[in-house]
Amino acid sequence: KNQVEQSPQSLIILEGKNCTLQCNYTVSPFSNLRWYKQDTGRGPVSLTIMTFSENTKSNGRYTATLDADTKQSSLHITASQLSDSASYICVVSLYGGSQGNLIFGKGTKLSVKP
Amino acid sequence: NAGVTQTPKFQVLKTGQSMTLQCAQDMNHNSMYWYRQDPGMGLRLIYYSASEGTTDKGEVPNGYNVSRLNKREFSLRLESAAPSQTSVYFCASSLGTGGAGTEAFFGQGTRLTVV
Repeated sequence: KNQVEQSPQSLIILEGKNCTLQCNYTVSPFSNLRWYKQDTGRGPVSLTIMTFSENTKSNGRYTATLDADTKQSSLHITASQLSDSASYICVVSLYGGSQGNLIFGKGTKLSVKP
Repeated sequence: NAGVTQTPKFQVLKTGQSMTLQCAQDMNHNSMYWYRQDPGMGLRLIYYSASEGTTDKGEVPNGYNVSRLNKREFSLRLESAAPSQTSVYFCASSLGTGGAGTEAFFGQGTRLTVV
């Protein structure tokens, strides 16, 4: 069964600290993996996309990694800010098939405290 | 550039009532989706439309119907609302092609409560 699992479920860190969120997937055939950020009361917004051949991609203070062999991805947040408080959702796209084939993780809820 | 617009933002229904959630996108995207988001469940696909004129069931279609009115608009209808349909509903759209085209752009959500 195609699944995306994220850990931890929730995380509290102090402002200025770094953190890493994990995503493990059992999705085949794999097309790409995205990390989305969802602020409270808003829709998710894409942060990064990674394809099979990419290992690392950065977007400002966000750095995503992908290990296609172990089917693991991580999202590293550097020098966290209060505005980073949100849920982070890992989404894997299936290769080919219908356009409904986006497999969502349940998300990690990050709280950044002053 | 509005992106994906959903209406209404909040709605309270009585059990058995019907309603339609509206969604429109102005990005000329081919594919559109309806998701529901419940605590601890993540986003679950209700219906999607890969292109104008087509619709397909997702993971949780029971109790819902959809209409792809044109390329811009995709509506979700609850014919007889039930308390189990209390949720936050998100509409999304994407170009529909591979790679960058799989990025889904989401609306602000509709918070629906069925009492």
